[in-house]
Amino acid sequence: EILMTQSPATLSVSPGERATLSCRASESVSSNLAWYQQKPGQAPRLLIYGASTRATGIPARFSGSGSGTDFTLTISSLQSEDSAVYYCQQYNNWPLYTFGQGTKLEIK
Amino acid sequence: QLQLQESGPGLVKPSETLSLTCTVSGGSINSGSYYWGWIRQPPGKGLEWIGSIYYSGSTYYNPSLKTRVTISIDTSQNQFSLKLTSATAADTAVYYCARHQSSYSWFDPWGQGTLVSVSS
Repeated sequence: EILMTQSPATLSVSPGERATLSCRASESVSSNLAWYQQKPGQAPRLLIYGASTRATGIPARFSGSGSGTDFTLTISSLQSEDSAVYYCQQYNNWPLYTFGQGTKLEIK
Repeated sequence: QLQLQESGPGLVKPSETLSLTCTVSGGSINSGSYYWGWIRQPPGKGLEWIGSIYYSGSTYYNPSLKTRVTISIDTSQNQFSLKLTSATAADTAVYYCARHQSSYSWFDPWGQGTLVSVSS
């Protein structure tokens, strides 16, 4: 099983600033990584797939980078509605998908 | 626009079988080479992939749950289902259904989720 580790567990950032969230895989997942945003009481929403491709309708302030074992989700110019928990998911190791434990992003 | 909706009992007794159905609307479950999956999230915790079914009926399960899980598909009803036997309190979670486009793919879209509690 590929273990996905996200850091930090909680991140507090002011509106208009940049947030950088990290996800590390226990072994290479190539670029087979997705990012999701989950707000309280809602299902996860796909943000990024292929490590860096934004899903349909996702604002350009969300960007993903990385390959192999180290990945980053960057949210530039934070807005209040970006407050959520963010999860990464590897889909390189089929048939056993795994998720990170999540990073909670708080807007100051 | 494709939509998924989970349904089933919100309360299951310990040792009994947890059963859920996902109804797909806005598209055919049988069109295209899609996989249909189940993911769960215990209260306040992260996401765990349970398993997936290919539109043709082939199934794939998380090894940690494999002995207790069955996923099936009913193309005539545009639904797929989850059965989890010998339920315990550890199976209390929000259960989501979702689609993935291939065997190496992300989940999109997701259903809204349904909370299932295992308690006597």
